[in-house]
Amino acid sequence: AQSVAQPEDQVNVAEGNPLTVKCTYSVSGNPYLFWYVQYPNRGLQFLLKYITGDNLVKGSYGFEAEFNKSQTSFHLKKPSALVSDSALYFCAVRDMETSGTYKYIFGTGTRLKVLA
Amino acid sequence: EAGVTQFPSHSVIEKGQTVTLRCDPISGHDNLYWYRRVMGKEIKFLLHFVKESKQDESGMPNNRFLAERTGGTYSTLKVQPAELEDSGVYFCASSPTKYNEQFFGPGTRLTVL
Repeated sequence: AQSVAQPEDQVNVAEGNPLTVKCTYSVSGNPYLFWYVQYPNRGLQFLLKYITGDNLVKGSYGFEAEFNKSQTSFHLKKPSALVSDSALYFCAVRDMETSGTYKYIFGTGTRLKVLA
Repeated sequence: EAGVTQFPSHSVIEKGQTVTLRCDPISGHDNLYWYRRVMGKEIKFLLHFVKESKQDESGMPNNRFLAERTGGTYSTLKVQPAELEDSGVYFCASSPTKYNEQFFGPGTRLTVL
């Protein structure tokens, strides 16, 4: 069965330090992977996606993610965290088994807290 | 360009009552998705419209949930009668084609007492 795991409910990091939010996936075939961020009282905002090509994907707000096929991971990273990055982050994979839909399968979310 | 909008932002109802959630996708987006996040768990797919047709409704929990998208524009999701376990945040998303990333609305927080 297809699934996404975000093993950490919360990640704390000091402002200015690098951050990593972890995501692993299980799908058949080549994965289409996404990261979204949710700020309080806002909808999910698209950060970046991996479809094919370079394993390091750059996205919005200075975020990037590294696709690792052998480890089936797609960790979100940022070299220097800002307090304003504090939010809820969701990893998702596109359903590749159900014909015609391309719906997302989400992880449980990771709350990122950047401390000043 | 206006984003995906959802109404209401919050709804508190009693068990057994009916609630209708509305989603207005980005203009021109044929694909409309409904998702739900319950009690801090993962966001789960409910159903997918392409224009006015239901492409995939495999995630709908039971027949108390009815989704419509008349005319292929806005969509409604009706819960009748609501149960306690229906509480959660209901998200709507749209995309121009099924191959694009999805754009999400702010969600409707539903509380069933």
